[in-house]
Amino acid sequence: GENVEQHPSTLSVQEGDSAVIKCTYSDSASNYFPWYKQELGKGPQLIIDIRSNVGEKKDQRIAVTLNKTAKHFSLHITETQPEDSAVYFCAASRSGYGGSQGNLIFGKGTKLSVKP
Amino acid sequence: DGGITQSPKYLFRKEGQNVTLSCEQNLNHDAMYWYRQDPGQGLRLIYYSQIVNDFQKGDIAEGYSVSREKKESFPLTVTSAQKNPTAFYLCASRVSGLAGVPYEQYFGPGTRLTVT
Repeated sequence: GENVEQHPSTLSVQEGDSAVIKCTYSDSASNYFPWYKQELGKGPQLIIDIRSNVGEKKDQRIAVTLNKTAKHFSLHITETQPEDSAVYFCAASRSGYGGSQGNLIFGKGTKLSVKP
Repeated sequence: DGGITQSPKYLFRKEGQNVTLSCEQNLNHDAMYWYRQDPGQGLRLIYYSQIVNDFQKGDIAEGYSVSREKKESFPLTVTSAQKNPTAFYLCASRVSGLAGVPYEQYFGPGTRLTVT
């Protein structure tokens, strides 16, 4: 079945450095790729997403890049701050209506620690 | 405020008892989802519903049941048949929309269920 691989599982950076998390997907029909941030004891929060007709999207300190040919996408966080410490999940889905179409397939998460 | 509410935040039950977790959304979303998250793990899909009065099993539906009688509500019952019910349960919703158009999925704050 469809699968999303996420690396690394843990990432530790110094405050101010950049952090990069990478995901690969197996379903070539996937066309929507969101990223979620989950703080301890809370529900995941959608922080950025990208659709397959776009190669890169930025929102302040975060950016996502997509390589459809290689079937991988990445989250980039620049100028990291201690409040960026959380678990980050990538996901992929194919659009459509009915059955499991539209359901997100999640990676297993990356625990990011930003040290002051 | 629009959003997804889950209640209660913490729930304690004795082994052998059924328990129902509440999920309500006022976002006018068509699709709703239940996920299970174990400590340090990713998200596993329990059940989903694309439309009122219809729902489908996810990857780990055994020992769980749901209903979707109203668009805004999608309660999850954890039955005594679920062998390891202690976990963090997350509800989510999204617009189903037109086929071919992916829409954002949003999560509730979660309910932590402890069964002893």
